[in-house]
Amino acid sequence: QSVLTQPPSVSGAPGQRVTISCTGSSSNIGAGYDVHWYQQLPGTAPKLLIYGNNNRPSGVPDRFSGSKSGTSASLAITGLQTEDEAVYHCQSYDGSLTTSVFGGGTQLTVL
Amino acid sequence: QLQLQESGPGLLKASETLALTCTVSGGSISSGSHYWGWIRQPPGKALEWIGTVYYSGTTYYNPSFKSRVTISVDTSRSHFSLRLNSVTAADTAVYYCARHGGAYIRDWFHPWGQGTLVTVSS
Repeated sequence: QSVLTQPPSVSGAPGQRVTISCTGSSSNIGAGYDVHWYQQLPGTAPKLLIYGNNNRPSGVPDRFSGSKSGTSASLAITGLQTEDEAVYHCQSYDGSLTTSVFGGGTQLTVL
Repeated sequence: QLQLQESGPGLLKASETLALTCTVSGGSISSGSHYWGWIRQPPGKALEWIGTVYYSGTTYYNPSFKSRVTISVDTSRSHFSLRLNSVTAADTAVYYCARHGGAYIRDWFHPWGQGTLVTVSS
């Protein structure tokens, strides 16, 4: 069981907006530690999508955005495209465990 | 463009030692601005941070692995390595190496190596 909780799956139609939640606790997200997001296409390594809660690396479309509030964070994807179909992972740091921690991953299906 | 590449045996027997190397190219492992980490992903499961090393040799480990894991760095060869002792079937996973976004273990990972599947047979 992961320290950060994500929904196992979400879905949306092309062009729609979806959000993926990442719920933590007072020892990780709620303690102020940043949240980062990754996209993992089938059979490939994770790719950085959002860092420091809401920053996009060069080359990541502005359709992807991140936010954080309290003990949770969210990844929003607007204008869904078929190539967005992937597993999305959140990551933060847990001060009690003294470890970098990941969510269980969310499979996004574009209908 | 910075690239990382994992290498090492893909098949082990239970109780053996897993030994992987991550070779860094297109950038310096000794820059001092970044940490370097190992992450694994068992089939169909979540990502799990194993540990991190700095070019000076300073290491940070996930307590879940601490008694079995050693991470080291060889700046002359521009690589860092992972050793995991006494493996079991539960250690079967894709192992990734990656660079931290900065010099903190709470920082993001970017870029990642392509990953290498290690299977432990009983």
